[in-house]
Order: sequence, then structure tokens, then C-alpha cells
Amino acid sequence: QKEVEQNSGPLSVPEGAIASLNCTYSDRGSQSFFWYRQYSGKSPELIMFIYSNGDKEDGRFTAQLNKASQYVSLLIRDSQPSDSATYLCAVVSPGNQFYFGTGTSLTVIP
Amino acid sequence: GAGVSQSPSNKVTEKGKDVELRCDPISGHTALYWYRQSLGQGLEFLIYFQGNSAPDKSGLPSDRFSAERTGGSVSTLTIQRTQQEDSAVYLCASSFFPGGSYNEQFFGPGTRLTVL
Repeated sequence: QKEVEQNSGPLSVPEGAIASLNCTYSDRGSQSFFWYRQYSGKSPELIMFIYSNGDKEDGRFTAQLNKASQYVSLLIRDSQPSDSATYLCAVVSPGNQFYFGTGTSLTVIP
Repeated sequence: GAGVSQSPSNKVTEKGKDVELRCDPISGHTALYWYRQSLGQGLEFLIYFQGNSAPDKSGLPSDRFSAERTGGSVSTLTIQRTQQEDSAVYLCASSFFPGGSYNEQFFGPGTRLTVL
């Protein structure tokens, strides 16, 4: 079982819709959770981090964490074509090692 | 301030040759990570340095791979006797690691390695 699982996609949503990206993790002791965005040919860049159960909002982005279900998600409201990228979920283990998922490819259709 | 830098940006080598990839982390960051990303794939963890502690080498795919970090700053990833399957983008990241939750990783631009 992989430490972090994501649907590879591709996920396609129309412009203006809500994009929902999901991630599950295996180590129940994990404390920190990150969402990175990676454009084709570029390095990952941080979008959000979350470490408490519940929702965390930043502009059009909302991260949701449910530690009991070992589930973290990212919602993108009012999706724009510029949001088209691969979204990587990262989880920090109790030993402070980062585990990345394989990423979900998102395409926002104008 | 300056971000994470990596050199070279591109490296083309022949099978069997050794290569060295360099990473210069953000000043003050104590943690440094190396990852490998093959075309269309996720990030594969290779090695992790934290301060003066022994590195976590659990991700190195074979004994042809090694890395060192001098003076707690610059790191070099060495691949000996390169194989075609080593072709990938090698990404370096650094983070300030106080032991808390805010240990965001900042990524460098990567080195694209092509083994012919």
C-alpha cells in the first residue's frame, strides 16, 4: 500500500465550476498535509497546507482534512483555465519524511 | 531572497558515465531533499538531510546513487555508471525545519538528466 494515494485523473471541469481533488494516506500518525501545484515542465509550488481537522480557506482554494478517515481534499472554486495543472498531495509522517502522491491532472475547459 | 538553485539545468550523458548534480538550498534551511520525477510520474523520494544528522537514504534506488551535503548547505547527488533508466528530472527541495507543522518545502527548478 502506498503512503499517499491520489486519483491520477485526468479530471476535467468547465470554467467556473468547482474542482474537487482527493487524497488518502496510510499513516494515521501523520500531522501535516500539503497541496502542491505543478505546471507541465515546472517544479511544484505550494498552494496550501493544513494540519487541523476541518476546512481551511485561502481565496478560491479550500483544503479539507479528516484525520479519522485519513482523507484530505482540495476544492477549487470558480475554476479557471490557468488552474489546469497537476496537483500533488504531500503528507508528513511522524518521522518528518515527506510522502507525495502521484498527482491528479486537472484540465479546466474554457 | 534567493530560492533553491540547481545546476546544471540540463545534463546529457552517455551510458556508463558518472554525473554530479548540485543543489544550493535557501539560506537558513536545515532540511534538504532530493527527488526524482520521470516523465508523467509523481515525485520519487531519494534522500533527506536534516542538519548534522545522518541522512535518510531509504529512497536511493541502488548503490550507484549517493549524496552528500557539505557544511549543512550545498548538496551533491552523484550517479555512478549511469543507465538509461536514470533519465528523469532530479528535483531538490529545502525547508526550515523547527520540528513543527510549518515545514513547507521549496523546490528548485530541477536538473533534467538524459542518459543516451
